[in-house]
Amino acid sequence: GQQVMQIPQYQHVQEGEDFTTYCNSSTTLSNIQWYKQRPGGHPVFLIQLVKSGEVKKQKRLTFQFGEAKKNSSLHITATQTTDVGTYFCAEGTGTASKLTFGTGTRLQVTL
Amino acid sequence: NAGVMQNPRHLVRRRGQEARLRCSPMKGHSHVYWYRQLPEEGLKFMVYLQKENIIDESGMPKERFSAEFPKEGPSILRIQQVVRGDSAAYFCASSQGAKNIQYFGAGTRLSVL
Repeated sequence: GQQVMQIPQYQHVQEGEDFTTYCNSSTTLSNIQWYKQRPGGHPVFLIQLVKSGEVKKQKRLTFQFGEAKKNSSLHITATQTTDVGTYFCAEGTGTASKLTFGTGTRLQVTL
Repeated sequence: NAGVMQNPRHLVRRRGQEARLRCSPMKGHSHVYWYRQLPEEGLKFMVYLQKENIIDESGMPKERFSAEFPKEGPSILRIQQVVRGDSAAYFCASSQGAKNIQYFGAGTRLSVL
């Protein structure tokens, strides 16, 4: 079945440093969604990208969808301790848009 | 503005017992999805339901697992004769329509002893 891989699996940064996670698929993605899950918490929707080459920003977060729609990235500028968590990309597939989640990137931020 | 409500938050069962997990979607949402998250892994789709109908159960194990979303009341995910491998976090999500954003509940963490 289709797999959506994310790299890195884990990243530890100092507060104030930047962070980027990458989402890669072997097949063309119809759309890409990004979620954040705090430790012990539940996935929280961040954004959805649909168009080839699309870039969206939310304060310190920048989301990008690749031109070939096979990859996506999430970049956080000047991380804060509140950014700690696991970031998942996901594709909504089928008529019901069930979500196929990536493997996730766990971000740890220390002072 | 109640979100997706799941209960119980934590559930402990012994091997062979039954587990019932409940999910009430957000107000106005008629589409419910169940996902399972094993420790240190991503979420895996299990089943998609609308009121009184199972639309897609391609992610459900063939045996011991069942789901329903009755006309009245919450959606139920039922696991019969639980085994240790069923220990996981089970998340429910709801959406307004089939292609709308899914909002997740806090999850039920099932531990099988």
